[in-house]
Amino acid sequence: RKEVEQDPGPFNVPEGATVAFNCTYSNSASQSFFWYRQDCRKEPKLLMSVYSSGNEDGRFTAQLNRASQYISLLIRDSKLSDSATYLCVVTIGAGGTSYGKLTFGQGTILTVHP
Amino acid sequence: GAGVSQSPSNKVTEKGKDVELRCDPISGHTALYWYRQSLGQGLEFLIYFQGNSAPDKSGLPSDRFSAERTGGSVSTLTIQRTQQEDSAVYLCASSPHQGRLRIGQYFGPGTRLTVT
Repeated sequence: RKEVEQDPGPFNVPEGATVAFNCTYSNSASQSFFWYRQDCRKEPKLLMSVYSSGNEDGRFTAQLNRASQYISLLIRDSKLSDSATYLCVVTIGAGGTSYGKLTFGQGTILTVHP
Repeated sequence: GAGVSQSPSNKVTEKGKDVELRCDPISGHTALYWYRQSLGQGLEFLIYFQGNSAPDKSGLPSDRFSAERTGGSVSTLTIQRTQQEDSAVYLCASSPHQGRLRIGQYFGPGTRLTVT
């Protein structure tokens, strides 16, 4: 079983749509959670951290359910520029020196069309 | 401010040759990471530096791979006797502090390595 699993998609949605991505992680010791986006042939860029209480950044809302080991990302009012691969990412501490090694999901491809 | 930079951006090499990939992290970032992304694959962790030491090298795929960091800044990833399966994009990332996990990491543009 992969440490971080995502539905690869692709998701094809019209502009203005609301779209949600889900992710599950296998290691209950996971400590921090992020969503990154990666454009074609570019490096991953941090989109947002994910907190247990849920957090919002403009049109983006992230949720974490530690009991179910489940993370979600909701994008409202999709824009053409949201087209990218969205990567679910977790970190797992290593002993007493948690160093934030990122473990990536395979990514979910989103295409927003006019 | 300046982000993470990597050089070269592209490298084509013949099988069996050695290559060196360079990473300049964001100034002041103490943690530095190397990852690689193969075609159609997810990102794979290679090695982590805190300052000049590497507490975790568990992701290095073989003893042909090594990395060093000097002055708590620039890092070099060396691949000896390259093989075709080494072809990938090698990404470097840096982060301000090892303990601040919620900060996330900032990636450089990567070096695209092609072994022919």
